[in-house]
Amino acid sequence: QKEVEQNSGPLSVPEGAIASLNCTYSDRVSQSFFWYRQYSGKSPELIMSIYSNGDKEDGRFTAQLNKASQYVSLLIRDSQPSDSATYLCAAFGSGNTGKLIFGQGTTLQVKP
Amino acid sequence: DADVTQTPRNRITKTGKRIMLECSQTKGHDRMYWYRQDPGLGLQLIYYSFDVKDINKGEISDGYSVSRQAQAKFSLSLESAIPNQTALYFCATSDSGIGYTFGSGTRLTVV
Repeated sequence: QKEVEQNSGPLSVPEGAIASLNCTYSDRVSQSFFWYRQYSGKSPELIMSIYSNGDKEDGRFTAQLNKASQYVSLLIRDSQPSDSATYLCAAFGSGNTGKLIFGQGTTLQVKP
Repeated sequence: DADVTQTPRNRITKTGKRIMLECSQTKGHDRMYWYRQDPGLGLQLIYYSFDVKDINKGEISDGYSVSRQAQAKFSLSLESAIPNQTALYFCATSDSGIGYTFGSGTRLTVV
C-alpha cells in the first residue's frame, strides 16, 4: 500500500452540490494531514490542515479525519466552477522526517 | 512580492546542457524542498534541506544536485540535462510541522 492514496478521478459534480474527496493512508505516515488545491499548470495551494480526529470547517471546506479507518476527506459545499482543480492529499512521513508525502491527486470538475 | 520565488518560470534547454533553477524565500523557514511533477505522477521529492549545512536526497535525486547558499536560497542543478527531465519543478518551504508553501514553479523542457 502506498503511504497516501487517492482516486485520480475525475470526480464530476454539478454546481451547487457537495463534492467529497477521499484519501487513505498507511501506518508509514504521521498524524498531520493537508489538502492542497492545484489549478492546471499552477503551484499547489494549501487549503486545509487537520491533525486530530473529527471535522474541521473553514468556509465551504470541511476536512474530516478518521484515524481508526485511516482516511481523510475533504468536503466542498456549494461547489462552484472555480473549484475545478486537482486536490492533493498529503501527510508527513512517520519518524519526524519533515517530508510531506503526496497522493496522486483527485481531479474535480464542477459543471455549471 | 511572492513568499517563495522561483526563477526562471520557463526554460527550454538542449540535451547535455547544465542548467540551474533558483529558489529564494522570504518566510524565514529553515526547511526547503525541490519537487518535480509529471502529468499523472504526482509530486516527487528530489532533494531537501533542513538548514544551510543539511542536504538530503529525496526519491529521485539521480541526475540532480543542489546548493543551499543561505537560509533563504536553495538551487537545483541538472548537470547534464536529458529529455526525461522535462517536467514542472517546484520549490517549497516549511516550518516544522506546518504544511509547505510552494513557489510558482519552473516549467523545464529538454530538447
